[in-house]
Amino acid sequence: DAGVIQSPRHEVTEMGQEVTLRCKPISGHNSLFWYRQTMMRGLELLIYFNNNVPIDDSGMPEDRFSAKMPNASFSTLKIQPSEPRDSAVYFCASSHTLTPYGYTFGSGTRLTVV
Amino acid sequence: ILNVEQSPQSLHVQEGDSTNFTCSFPSSNFYALHWYRWETAKSPEALFVMTLNGDEKKKGRISATLNTKEGYSYLYIKGSQPEDSATYLCALDQAQFYFGTGTSLTVIP
Repeated sequence: DAGVIQSPRHEVTEMGQEVTLRCKPISGHNSLFWYRQTMMRGLELLIYFNNNVPIDDSGMPEDRFSAKMPNASFSTLKIQPSEPRDSAVYFCASSHTLTPYGYTFGSGTRLTVV
Repeated sequence: ILNVEQSPQSLHVQEGDSTNFTCSFPSSNFYALHWYRWETAKSPEALFVMTLNGDEKKKGRISATLNTKEGYSYLYIKGSQPEDSATYLCALDQAQFYFGTGTSLTVIP
């Protein structure tokens, strides 16, 4: 298994542009999580899905952020319009159940908004 | 893909016991090793960021050491309390992040 796959690995974009981050969870996992890591705030949970349904999006910072999971093998996190303060590393993780040691993280997308 | 391994996968200890667990990795070429304390579906709490071989860091009853030559980091908890129950996650920052799958700790009152 190739693990959780995130793309792109790096993204540099100009302020105001739309950014789409992608995640392919491990096959068979039914929960998917999006996190953001910044120097100031550490690792923050943005949203998580269970069986493709968003369960808790209270961590999504603003209306400029949206996440979808159209099927069990794909999720996107979109920022529109992007701002410099959105610069961070965005992680996706998946798990089979909500057990503490079953999570697998992707390697992250490093986003820079200039 | 770089394999970051954590052991044990889960651990049950009695209140007051001290415990430790391991994060091991195959490379000494990285920017930092991070330890997080994590409760399911919440934002992980950053515990330590370790960069140098021989680093030792402490936060209350929790401490960590780093050995880059042999490729491991230990996390120690002295006098475990029920509120220490959580998953402890390590991650290697090598420009890309590589996470372990965590050690789930349960402290029994």
